Amino acid sequence: DVVLTQSPLSLPVTLGQPASISCRSSQSLVYSDGDTYLNWFHQRPGQSPRRLIYKVSTRDSGVPDRFSGSGSGTDFTLKISRVEAEDVGVYYCMQTTRWPLMYTFGQGTKLEIK
Amino acid sequence: QVQLVESGGGLVKPGGSLRLSCAASGFTFSDYYMSWIRQAPGKGLECVSYISNSSVYTHYADSVKGRFTISRDNPKNSLFLQMNSLRAEDTAVYYCARDGSLDSWGQGTLVTVSS
Repeated sequence: DVVLTQSPLSLPVTLGQPASISCRSSQSLVYSDGDTYLNWFHQRPGQSPRRLIYKVSTRDSGVPDRFSGSGSGTDFTLKISRVEAEDVGVYYCMQTTRWPLMYTFGQGTKLEIK
Repeated sequence: QVQLVESGGGLVKPGGSLRLSCAASGFTFSDYYMSWIRQAPGKGLECVSYISNSSVYTHYADSVKGRFTISRDNPKNSLFLQMNSLRAEDTAVYYCARDGSLDSWGQGTLVTVSS
């Protein structure tokens, strides 16, 4: 089974500064169709998760362009160019295989403002 | 816009049962796989179960296999999770989510299993 390991697990950041979260997979996430189904989610305190990025680097509608996703194979990164107060919460990476459909989540990275 | 509204959570004793529902609107429900994701207090996310758009395929996490049953009613735009033989470790907020990529989530419903 695929294991996703996020780092760091806690990320204190000063407002306006950049932030970066790593997600490493125990095996390549390139699926047989050539796509890589690695998504990023953000969960604000007391709210349900919201998908930010899918297929490694495509931002969902309404997601600010200060968020970017990158990576390939087994190493992926979520970057926030300038952290704002609304960015606090927990960030999860998640991978899916397509057939059969299987999900794996990373442990989560808690971003807080210094 | 896409809306998912869960209901049916509550307090139940160990060994008891609950049936969760998720009412969907704003999209063609019958076109999408649907999933139940749970989050234990202070913990991360776990996919409990999913069902294909036509109900042909279902999947369960090992932790709930044989105890939980997922189903859907496409004409009524509804997703269900029948939970039997509940254990303390099933205590969590249960979310329904759309599609294999989990592009939309409900607000969640809290299930507490305690004597």
